[in-house]
Amino acid sequence: DAEITQSPRHKITETGRQVTLACHQTWNHNNMFWYRQDLGHGLRLIHYSYGVQDTNKGEVSDGYSVSRSNTEDLPLTLESAASSQTSVYFCASSGYGTSGGSYEQYFGPGTRLTVT
Amino acid sequence: QKEVEQDPGPLSVPEGAIVSLNCTYSNSAFQYFMWYRQYSRKGPELLMYTYSSGNKEDGRFTAQVDKSSKYISLFIRDSQPSDSATYLCAMNFQAGTALIFGKGTTLSVSS
Repeated sequence: DAEITQSPRHKITETGRQVTLACHQTWNHNNMFWYRQDLGHGLRLIHYSYGVQDTNKGEVSDGYSVSRSNTEDLPLTLESAASSQTSVYFCASSGYGTSGGSYEQYFGPGTRLTVT
Repeated sequence: QKEVEQDPGPLSVPEGAIVSLNCTYSNSAFQYFMWYRQYSRKGPELLMYTYSSGNKEDGRFTAQVDKSSKYISLFIRDSQPSDSATYLCAMNFQAGTALIFGKGTTLSVSS
């Protein structure tokens, strides 16, 4: 079955370190997204990509970067980790669904990141 | 004003109750509306997907969209303890694009 995976599932890092979170999907979807989820804020968009070599900034992109070299992967990099980036990070992908022609968006299991 | 408003709850109901969850939004350009269910420490799971105004039913779940009022609802009939989760509304302007989420409503169904 097609799926979307994230690694690592949990990560503790120190302030100032560079961190990369991996996202891999086997849906063959063109559209991929990174969100963060924080108490009181819900899910907020960090970066997104609508195809290979395409990347765009979302609502909370400062301090983050992404690159898209193939269809399956969209790694998220924290250039210099800050305590404000302690959060749960979700990757998602979107493509043509099987139910009524909808473009459904599916989420990975999340990465819990702690910056100390 | 946030683009999408959702009462965070918590909402507690007995097993078998009908649950009503709601979101309001401010941008009339939203066209696609979704409801996700999220269990603790898990990723959001798509429950319902609706285009424009109208109703959609899937088993015990019914999604309603009223674009004139900028209001969407999710109804859960015969609620079960397994329905205890956080429910997130989400919407976007074009199919397949990034989603704007409400903050989520936490639901607890007691047996």
